[in-house]
Amino acid sequence: GAGVSQSPRYKVAKRGQDVALRCDPISGHVSLFWYQQALGQGPEFLTYFQNEAQLDKSGLPSDRFFAERPEGSVSTLKIQRTQQEDSAVYLCASSPGGAGRLVGKNIQYFGAGTRLSVL
Amino acid sequence: EDQVTQSPEALRLQEGESSSLNCSYTVSGLRGLFWYRQDPGKGPEFLFTLYSAGEEKEKERLKATLTKKESFLHITAPKPEDSATYLCAVQCKAPQTGGYQKVTFGIGTKLQVIP
Repeated sequence: GAGVSQSPRYKVAKRGQDVALRCDPISGHVSLFWYQQALGQGPEFLTYFQNEAQLDKSGLPSDRFFAERPEGSVSTLKIQRTQQEDSAVYLCASSPGGAGRLVGKNIQYFGAGTRLSVL
Repeated sequence: EDQVTQSPEALRLQEGESSSLNCSYTVSGLRGLFWYRQDPGKGPEFLFTLYSAGEEKEKERLKATLTKKESFLHITAPKPEDSATYLCAVQCKAPQTGGYQKVTFGIGTKLQVIP
């Protein structure tokens, strides 16, 4: 299908390891979002890209979290020196428009997420 | 700070028993309110967008309404396949980035429909 694809679907890491989570957005979508979803909670915003520009990273919980989208398409969320509290589902979403252009009508389409478990 | 509160947190209905889910919000400069459905192990699936008070949208057994302070998701004669977590989200303006529209989610209502 042509939806948002995330990989891996599941990741188990030992405390202190670095992990990289990948997101392939819908082709042509300008905006890309990363969210963190803890068990029984709603998605919590992490960061936002418009094309390759990271316009908002206010939701990243610490400097161990880093995201990039170098060519304005695929994005990677990297977590360094993972901690147990990083265990969660990481969701990626994309939408067709960008800031300043009918953004009130931009629907976010989500991937299935990556479930990260830090032991 | 933008806030979204959903109630109840969990709801159990008999098949055919209609009910409503509530989403109360406090935001500065609402641009849109979204309803999503999330099944276990999957990402949220878009259902509706509402932009102004008084607006209503329908899809099969679901109907979403919006006032200036809250939104309701009405479920008419639900079926077991309607069982899922329903998420409400609001989209509003983030002043520091101009037109960029940040989305804030509630924790969701977990709906279980019993045959």
